[in-house]
Amino acid sequence: SQTIHQWPATLVQPVGSPLSLECTVEGTSNPNLYWYRQAAGRGLQLLFYSVGIGQISSEVPQNLSASRPQDRQFILSSKKLLLSDSGFYLCAWSPGQVNQPQHFGDGTRLSIL
Amino acid sequence: QKEVEQNSGPLSVPEGAIASLNCTYSDRVSQSFFWYRQYSGKSPELIMSIYSNGDKEDGRFTAQLNKASQYVSLLIRDSQPSDSATYLCAGLYSSASKIIFGSGTRLSIRP
Repeated sequence: SQTIHQWPATLVQPVGSPLSLECTVEGTSNPNLYWYRQAAGRGLQLLFYSVGIGQISSEVPQNLSASRPQDRQFILSSKKLLLSDSGFYLCAWSPGQVNQPQHFGDGTRLSIL
Repeated sequence: QKEVEQNSGPLSVPEGAIASLNCTYSDRVSQSFFWYRQYSGKSPELIMSIYSNGDKEDGRFTAQLNKASQYVSLLIRDSQPSDSATYLCAGLYSSASKIIFGSGTRLSIRP
């Protein structure tokens, strides 16, 4: 069966520090991969999605970036965090075929001080 | 119009009653829809998928899709306190490999 791993579960970072969040999927090939952010009490905001290695679509202009160095690995990065980057970051995957739902990792709760 | 729209709630339903959650969508969302449940502080989990017009039942859950009215709903029968959560409606975007989520409806089941 397929599993998605996301780490760390919680992270506290100072303003201006760099960020790297990693997500990996097991048990499937060529998945679509997604990064979302959820502010407290708010809905899901799609940040990036990828349909293949090196293919990244950005949904919202901001100081974050994403990379997909391997088929089942998706990384969210920032060179300098802002206070507004605080939130609950969720990685998700779906099968490469169309019409399939997404499945989420456990998320990373990021607090910027 | 938002692409996927939900009433934010909270929706309060007595234990044992039917909870009815509703969602409307725009033309930019295709005909594949999903309902997710999200407990506070946790990630969303998929509970239902619906692809064709009509009803789809799975245990206490029934999803309904009305393409003519661009309307999706989720019914929860015999509501339990453990059903208290935020329910997210989502639809597949017509022109890209991504899913658009509504902002969610908070459901509270009162004993």
